[in-house]
Amino acid sequence: DAGITQSPRYKITETGRQVTLMCHQTWSHSYMFWYRQDLGHGLRLIYYSAAADITDKGEVPDGYVVSRSKTENFPLTLESATRSQTSVYFCASLGQGVSYTFGSGTRLTVV
Amino acid sequence: DAKTTQPPSMDCAEGRAANLPCNHSTISGNEYVYWYRQIHSQGPQYIIHGLKNNETNEMASLIITEDRKSSTLILPHATLRDTAVYYCIVRPFMEYGNKLVFGAGTILRVKS
Repeated sequence: DAGITQSPRYKITETGRQVTLMCHQTWSHSYMFWYRQDLGHGLRLIYYSAAADITDKGEVPDGYVVSRSKTENFPLTLESATRSQTSVYFCASLGQGVSYTFGSGTRLTVV
Repeated sequence: DAKTTQPPSMDCAEGRAANLPCNHSTISGNEYVYWYRQIHSQGPQYIIHGLKNNETNEMASLIITEDRKSSTLILPHATLRDTAVYYCIVRPFMEYGNKLVFGAGTILRVKS
């Protein structure tokens, strides 16, 4: 199916564990983004990528690592999860058009 | 830096037009006005964008004042499914990084 998919949909992990959130898009869009959304903070940009092997920090990158070895995938890794990283994570992509397309989100709980 | 100002919340009766205002008094000449919305628990969804002319699509209309310092998103016949947070964003059409920065938005509640 065409589109942008995030996995898993829900994830519970323990403090200190490494966890990777996956994002896959089928359009070969150049730009991809990771946002987190928390009550009281709205949507905040974590990392973005302009193309394969090109990534840049957003507003809140600390504690996160990204990679983009293939255009269609943009995984987000929490190297050592903390409770403050409990959040809803959204991936998005942007091609030649003007509109971003967002995934359905991953709800991550760190206990 | 807050580039836009929106009311925190608004109510609208089902079937009536919903008019959502946005102030962007410091908008630059190369900046567009974009509107996105986020229905509960879903990812944000693009609605419409414009530079200086009024725009209309199947979802909404965008009215931008002549001085471009404010705009209004119009949902002509609001339904319960239009209940969402609406974000007004100003940014250049193509800028390095193409980052989309979200503010607090307006919570629109459509009531029957």
